[in-house]
Amino acid sequence: RKEVEQDPGPFNVPEGATVAFNCTYSNSASQSFFWYRQDCRKEPKLLMSVYSSGNEDGRFTAQLNRASQYISLLIRDSKLSDSATYLCVVNQGSSNTGKLIFGQGTTLQVKP
Amino acid sequence: DTGVSQDPRHKITKRGQNVTFRCDPISEHNRLYWYRQTLGQGPEFLTYFQNEAQLEKSRLLSDRFSAERPKGSFSTLEIQRTEQGDSAMYLCASSTTVSLYFGPGTRLLVL
Repeated sequence: RKEVEQDPGPFNVPEGATVAFNCTYSNSASQSFFWYRQDCRKEPKLLMSVYSSGNEDGRFTAQLNRASQYISLLIRDSKLSDSATYLCVVNQGSSNTGKLIFGQGTTLQVKP
Repeated sequence: DTGVSQDPRHKITKRGQNVTFRCDPISEHNRLYWYRQTLGQGPEFLTYFQNEAQLEKSRLLSDRFSAERPKGSFSTLEIQRTEQGDSAMYLCASSTTVSLYFGPGTRLLVL
């Protein structure tokens, strides 16, 4: 089983749609969770951290369910510029230092 | 530009040759990471440094791969006797906390 699993998609949605991505992780001791965004042929960039209580940044909402070891990202009112690959990222182990493990990524295409 | 920089951005080499990549992290960042990414996959962890100490290496990092960070600033990743399966994007990232800041990557093609 992969340490971080995501549905690779692609998700094709019209502008203005709401879309949700899910991610599961295998290490119950993980402490830090993130969503990164990667544009085609570019490096990954931090989109947002994911906190236990859930957090929102504009049109983006991230949720964490530690019991189910499940992370989600909700994008409301999708824009053409949201088209990218979204990477679910989890730190390995119980420490807040050390390496981050990336999922395969979920590709989003927002159509006019 | 105060971001992470990598050199070269592209490298084409023949199988069996050695290649070396350089990464210059953000100056105040004490942690430096190397990842490898192939098409359709997320970045795979290779190794990381805290200052000049190499703290962890992935099983993916065979004997042909070596990384250094001699003065706790820039880092180099060397691949000896390259194989076609080494073709990938090699990403460097730096941090002071858990979240990472990536460089633009070095795209390696082994013919």
